[in-house]
Amino acid sequence: DAMVIQNPRYQVTQFGKPVTLSCSQTLNHNVMYWYQQKSSQAPKLLFHYYDKDFNNEADTPDNFQSRRPNTSFCFLDIRSPGLGDAAMYLCATSHTVLGANVLTFGAGSRLTVL
Amino acid sequence: GQQVMQIPQYQHVQEGEDFTTYCNSSTTLSNIQWYKQRPGGHPVFLIQLVKSGEVKKQKRLTFQFGEAKKNSSLHITATQTTDVGTYFCAGPQDDSWGKLQFGAGTQVVVTP
Repeated sequence: DAMVIQNPRYQVTQFGKPVTLSCSQTLNHNVMYWYQQKSSQAPKLLFHYYDKDFNNEADTPDNFQSRRPNTSFCFLDIRSPGLGDAAMYLCATSHTVLGANVLTFGAGSRLTVL
Repeated sequence: GQQVMQIPQYQHVQEGEDFTTYCNSSTTLSNIQWYKQRPGGHPVFLIQLVKSGEVKKQKRLTFQFGEAKKNSSLHITATQTTDVGTYFCAGPQDDSWGKLQFGAGTQVVVTP
């Protein structure tokens, strides 16, 4: 059973039209992440939440916002998508194994910008 | 800043052959993790190494953490078509709790 669920799996939007991607988890992990992954590249961290504490990466554009209303849900809002924002968006949660954080990823939301 | 590098970027392997992919960090790591991403899929955690010189095996996959804890390798024996995908190593990012620095990945293509 999927433990990190992302919706929608595929999203097509028009240039400049806001988009919201959602992520839910049944693992009760306190850390949730949003990654952006472009073709043939490594996942790039956009931001993460430790409980309700929001941590933004320095190079994450202002165009990207996030909300975490409760432990189980997290949202990624792209206010004005550009062509360069077309990518796979991966949500992940983490738990601690031997003092290190191991990530569980969702299946991803693939965003196409027309 | 901290960098995690992987080589090779691409690996074409004949089915049944062995190959190794390497991961190198510019800084000492407290641990290193390996993930596999199948084509069209999402990264899936494979293993974590914590101790200097540690070696772990998962069936045909052998993972090693260097003595200086700055490099790691993944060796696959008798490659099968199910091994197709991109293998990422990842280490803690600049002592920031909860954040991982991913390497660029090694994309593995297996020829039957």
